[in-house]
Amino acid sequence: EPEVTQTPSHQVTQMGQEVILRCVPISNHLYFYWYRQILGQKVEFLVSFYNNEISEKSEIFDDQFSVERPDGSNFTLKIRSTKLEDSAMYFCASLAGRQETQYFGPGTRLLVL
Amino acid sequence: DAKTTQPTSMDCAEGRAANLPCNHSTISGNEYVYWYRQIHSQGPQYIIHGLKNNETNEMASLIITEDRKSSTLILPHATLRDTAVYYCIVRVGSSGYSTLTFGKGTMLLVSP
Repeated sequence: EPEVTQTPSHQVTQMGQEVILRCVPISNHLYFYWYRQILGQKVEFLVSFYNNEISEKSEIFDDQFSVERPDGSNFTLKIRSTKLEDSAMYFCASLAGRQETQYFGPGTRLLVL
Repeated sequence: DAKTTQPTSMDCAEGRAANLPCNHSTISGNEYVYWYRQIHSQGPQYIIHGLKNNETNEMASLIITEDRKSSTLILPHATLRDTAVYYCIVRVGSSGYSTLTFGKGTMLLVSP
């Protein structure tokens, strides 16, 4: 069964450093998402992406965040200058079309020191 | 904010049916009820969704009351691997592309 994959599974970085989280959505999917979950808290929406542009973003998704689909298969989330509070699990999701359901990847655990 | 209310936790014996309730008293006519679950440290997993009719798939059944103000997710024969946090989510339309707003969910513990 096709699945969303994410790399790396774990990332440790120093505060102020840039990180790039990578996702490979299911191959025929058109809509892409990033969510995050701070330890012990709810899953929170960050951003959605369709047709090579952001379609919706939350208040969390400020200027430090950016997304890109550089090569038609990968979908990346970049955090330009990480803060301690960026430590969380980051989940990528994708879906095939408007009437379909979102499939989530296994997540990347980001720890900012 | 999430528009649903769920119990914080529930227990179920292995092999028995797990019935997880959800209140969504302010649901609108064009809003669907979705259920996802999250096994520890994994990504959320879609289970089932419905508008007003009861739904069943290979994972679970969804019972929605006639007034649509509440619903119950039923796992007919719970196994240890069903231990997870279960999220009831209300969203506009059946369009999957709209964002998911997660609440705190119900922590279901299935024990031997």
